[in-house]
Amino acid sequence: EAGVAQSPRYKIIEKRQSVAFWCNPISGHATLYWYQQILGQGPKLLIQFQNNGVVDDSQLPKDRFSAERLKGVDSTLKIQPAKLEDSAVYLCASSPRAGDSYNEQFFGPGTRLTVL
Amino acid sequence: SQQGEEDPQALSIQEGENATMNCSYKTSINNLQWYRQNSGRGLVHLILIRSNEREKHSGRLRVTLDTSKKSSSLLITASRAADTASYFCATGYGNNRLAFGKGNQVVVIP
Repeated sequence: EAGVAQSPRYKIIEKRQSVAFWCNPISGHATLYWYQQILGQGPKLLIQFQNNGVVDDSQLPKDRFSAERLKGVDSTLKIQPAKLEDSAVYLCASSPRAGDSYNEQFFGPGTRLTVL
Repeated sequence: SQQGEEDPQALSIQEGENATMNCSYKTSINNLQWYRQNSGRGLVHLILIRSNEREKHSGRLRVTLDTSKKSSSLLITASRAADTASYFCATGYGNNRLAFGKGNQVVVIP
């Protein structure tokens, strides 16, 4: 079974530029998550999709971050404009069953973003 | 806060020894999960324990959960060099959401 795919793996940009990350979850997984992991910390949930609807985006900085999940499959996360403090690894995860509180989450390799 | 806090934050042990990590949290949970992260394999799920369970085993892993003390422990028995990684506890809440702790760096010396 193929895992969660993410691209690009690395990205370096200047502050105030825009950047987009792409995620392809495990086939058939209903729920998709984006996390931000700053160096030395645990992942922090940014947004949760169930199928193609947003379940939780309470920790997404909506003035600069946006995300969508087209047709309930792939997802993109965008930052516009980027700030220095956005430097982090952005992780995408998926879990199989919607409405089940006991799912494990499957993580992709992440995109390491450096903002200069 | 929903997130867990691991203790100790860093642990260095000899291969073959046991490693124990603790996690505390502050709010009610559906379940508690442990994940491992290393550069080779990214973030990988290890074990899930439900809020109505007290102990769970998986291979060389043993997890306990004490909801009255809002704490959990992860025991890795007979550690191997390949167990060198960061270990995160994550509290499960709401509609399958996770809040991760800061992580616990474990180094197993061959």
